[in-house]
Amino acid sequence: QKEVEQDPGPLSVPEGAIVSLNCTYSNSAFQYFMWYRQYSRKGPELLMYTYSSGNKEDGRFTAQVDKSSKYISLFIRDSQPSDSATYLCAMSDLHGSSNTGKLIFGQGTTLQVKP
Amino acid sequence: EAGVTQFPSHSVIEKGQTVTLRCDPISGHDNLYWYRRVMGKEIKFLLHFVKESKQDESGMPNNRFLAERTGGTYSTLKVQPAELEDSGVYFCASRRGQGETGELFFGEGSRLTVL
Repeated sequence: QKEVEQDPGPLSVPEGAIVSLNCTYSNSAFQYFMWYRQYSRKGPELLMYTYSSGNKEDGRFTAQVDKSSKYISLFIRDSQPSDSATYLCAMSDLHGSSNTGKLIFGQGTTLQVKP
Repeated sequence: EAGVTQFPSHSVIEKGQTVTLRCDPISGHDNLYWYRRVMGKEIKFLLHFVKESKQDESGMPNNRFLAERTGGTYSTLKVQPAELEDSGVYFCASRRGQGETGELFFGEGSRLTVL
């Protein structure tokens, strides 16, 4: 069983839709939860991060972590064609007070937002 | 500020040959990571340098892979001899220190094709 499970999609939505992306994980030691966005032929770029449980909002993006269910989500409101990319969840345990940098990635979900 | 740069962007070699991938991290970043994505799989951690020292090399697949970071600046990842299963995209990432999130900045990757 993989440590992090993520549906690879693809997911296709019309412009303006609300998008929900999810990951489940098995390792209860994970404390940092991140979402990366990766455009074609580019490297992953950090979109959102959350420490421990709770919600975090940044513009059109909201990240949620439910540690009791070992489930994390990323919501994209008012989706735009420019949001079309692969979205990767990633997790890490702690080194001191910060994440180790040794990230465990999900497989990534390919999102297409159609005009 | 220049980002993480990787060279070559794409390399095609025959099975049994040697390939060396190079990564130049963001200036001032002590931490350097190598990750790999094999087709159809998730991005996986290979190893972590702090300056010139290997902090964690638990993800290195076998002794055909050799990573170095002489002088604590750029890093090389050598595969010798290459096998078919080594094909994939090799990502390098760097970060300044641990910090709150210690965001990892990824390069665009070096795509390796072994024939």
